[in-house]
Amino acid sequence: GAGVSQTPSNKVTEKGKYVELRCDPISGHTALYWYRQSLGQGPEFLIYFQGTGAADDSGLPNDRFFAVRPEGSVSTLKIQRTERGDSAVYLCASSPRQEQYFGPGTRLTVT
Amino acid sequence: GENVEQHPSTLSVQEGDSAVIKCTYSDSASNYFPWYKQELGKGPQLIIDIRSNVGEKKDQRIAVTLNKTAKHFSLHITETQPEDSAVYFCAARAEGAGGTSYGKLTFGQGTILTVHP
Repeated sequence: GAGVSQTPSNKVTEKGKYVELRCDPISGHTALYWYRQSLGQGPEFLIYFQGTGAADDSGLPNDRFFAVRPEGSVSTLKIQRTERGDSAVYLCASSPRQEQYFGPGTRLTVT
Repeated sequence: GENVEQHPSTLSVQEGDSAVIKCTYSDSASNYFPWYKQELGKGPQLIIDIRSNVGEKKDQRIAVTLNKTAKHFSLHITETQPEDSAVYFCAARAEGAGGTSYGKLTFGQGTILTVHP
């Protein structure tokens, strides 16, 4: 079946710009997670949703980062006033219960 | 919060040999330990997981062991093949609020496994 999909696969933006990253989870998965992965590191947790609500946003680094999941399916991660340090691969995972299944990620480059 | 340490950072083996990757965790409340394989340019792929009520789990050529007392768990790959070459990550998660199975994973730093033909 279809896995987790993320768009765009690559995004290059200038410092200070606003970006939106989209995640389409596996159909029927109630939980959705966002992680960020820097080069040579393991994924780091940002936020997770149970249905439409953010159950844990403790990993968001600051108030420039925000995520929504208005209908309990697709989620969008929004980053305002991007900085060069935001450059990373942003991974989305969905989960039916315990296991988390990851998408291919969006590589964000801030120039 | 949880801290997961993974060793070694790189591992090189000959085809057919075994490979072992070890992880330790700090939070005694952690009860779920998945392993992921990540190939270049792709997202992490879940390959096996273990829960804290089990000491060992096996799936064909891969197995995972868990020692809750020592707070460490290991991935064992037997009869390695060149296609096993990838970055492997361990992770840990504590039981969620209200005893739910959801919650963030804390990952190790990764092991680059290279299997030489």
